[in-house]
Amino acid sequence: DTGVSQNPRHKITKRGQNVTFRCDPISEHNRLYWYRQTLGQGPEFLTYFQNEAQLEKSRLLSDRFSAERPKGSFSTLEIQRTEQGDSAMYLCASSLVGRGWGPGSSYEQYFGPGTRLTVT
Amino acid sequence: KNEVEQSPQNLTAQEGEFITINCSYSVGISALHWLQQHPGGGIVSLFMLSSGKKKHGRLIATINIQEKHSSLHITASHPRDSAVYICAVSSYAGGTSYGKLTFGQGTILTVHP
Repeated sequence: DTGVSQNPRHKITKRGQNVTFRCDPISEHNRLYWYRQTLGQGPEFLTYFQNEAQLEKSRLLSDRFSAERPKGSFSTLEIQRTEQGDSAMYLCASSLVGRGWGPGSSYEQYFGPGTRLTVT
Repeated sequence: KNEVEQSPQNLTAQEGEFITINCSYSVGISALHWLQQHPGGGIVSLFMLSSGKKKHGRLIATINIQEKHSSLHITASHPRDSAVYICAVSSYAGGTSYGKLTFGQGTILTVHP
């Protein structure tokens, strides 16, 4: 299967514990995005990488969150000292890098199945 | 006001009906995406468009760049079309296509047999 994969699919943790999620993008995709989706809402942008460089982080990403993409391949998202408000679906997507700017410059994003985090 | 607004939030239809979901946005975009999400979380890209109209099977997506509005149509709806449909835009600023998506809240579609 050459799609985007995420592990684990489900994670239940106690408040205060650290958790780490992994995303394996489509191999030739140099852009990788992390999004978070809470129940009944559309996803929200967290951060994205172009190759190994983390180019933007949302204000939603507090100091407890850290993401890496070593060697521009898979990515990890770590949440330290989890809080109940962190309970959500964490989605990863990958794409090719856009061509220039303006209409028509984007590439389609391919999403993984998500990791559902429950903090008790 | 959200940058991406969808309507309606909930839509119920009978099998065979023609369905329209609307999306309005307020930022400059490089593309507008229509996505489908089934229970359990997986998101599938249906369309990515920056002008005009695209068709795939019973699904049609249109966009009016001047009015910053897009519609997703489903002809001859079927119960298997029941899902959440999400509009998202990839915006640009300062001459660089960032690519990150800004999402609407989604439209929950239920098609009854």
